[in-house]
Amino acid sequence: DAGITQSPRHKVTETGTPVTLRCHQTENHRYMYWYRQDPGHGLRLIHYSYGVKDTDKGEVSDGYSVSRSKTEDFLLTLESATSSQTSVYFCAISERIQETQYFGPGTRLLVL
Amino acid sequence: AQSVTQLDSQVPVFEEAPVELRCNYSSSVSVYLFWYVQYPNQGLQLLLKYLSGSTLVKGINGFEAEFNKSQTSFHLRKPSVHISDTAEYFCAVMTNAGGTSYGKLTFGQGTILTVHP
Repeated sequence: DAGITQSPRHKVTETGTPVTLRCHQTENHRYMYWYRQDPGHGLRLIHYSYGVKDTDKGEVSDGYSVSRSKTEDFLLTLESATSSQTSVYFCAISERIQETQYFGPGTRLLVL
Repeated sequence: AQSVTQLDSQVPVFEEAPVELRCNYSSSVSVYLFWYVQYPNQGLQLLLKYLSGSTLVKGINGFEAEFNKSQTSFHLRKPSVHISDTAEYFCAVMTNAGGTSYGKLTFGQGTILTVHP
């Protein structure tokens, strides 16, 4: 299995609070991705990174920001959490942009 | 922009029976195609992928898929399923040409395969 960890694995928070999710990899892969998974929607790309300090928006980026200050860490921040952001969040990594993406175990977030 | 449609949201099947999970895609440029599997409370694991070459692709756990360009399909098959194949399966597409979708995976909605004894 690719060396990808996500923290926390579960989180409950209240509407309006900021939340940061962490993705950590030990594979030294250049590309990192954040997805959210919701029933009936599959996985949808939130943001991705193609290098340290290089990030871009995905399909559902509103309300989310990301940062990548080191190759191994990719942070996803919900600036002011809303109930619509209750979801399961997955991080993925790939060595090159058209290579297979490997997924982390996921973070289950509940916003009350 | 590309899109993926998985034609069945749920597929129940008995153990040792064959199964086909259907996937159609839409894209104005050529694509790479993937099938991922998600076991309960886990992340996604790659089953197989089509990049180029032979249109019949073999993956892990006895699964295979056939790329049909004229029908824009990439159906997943297994001749004999096991209880342990119970999981959710996702089809995904990635364009291999330039543009804003370059290198981005677009997923279908998922198909839940339930194998009954």
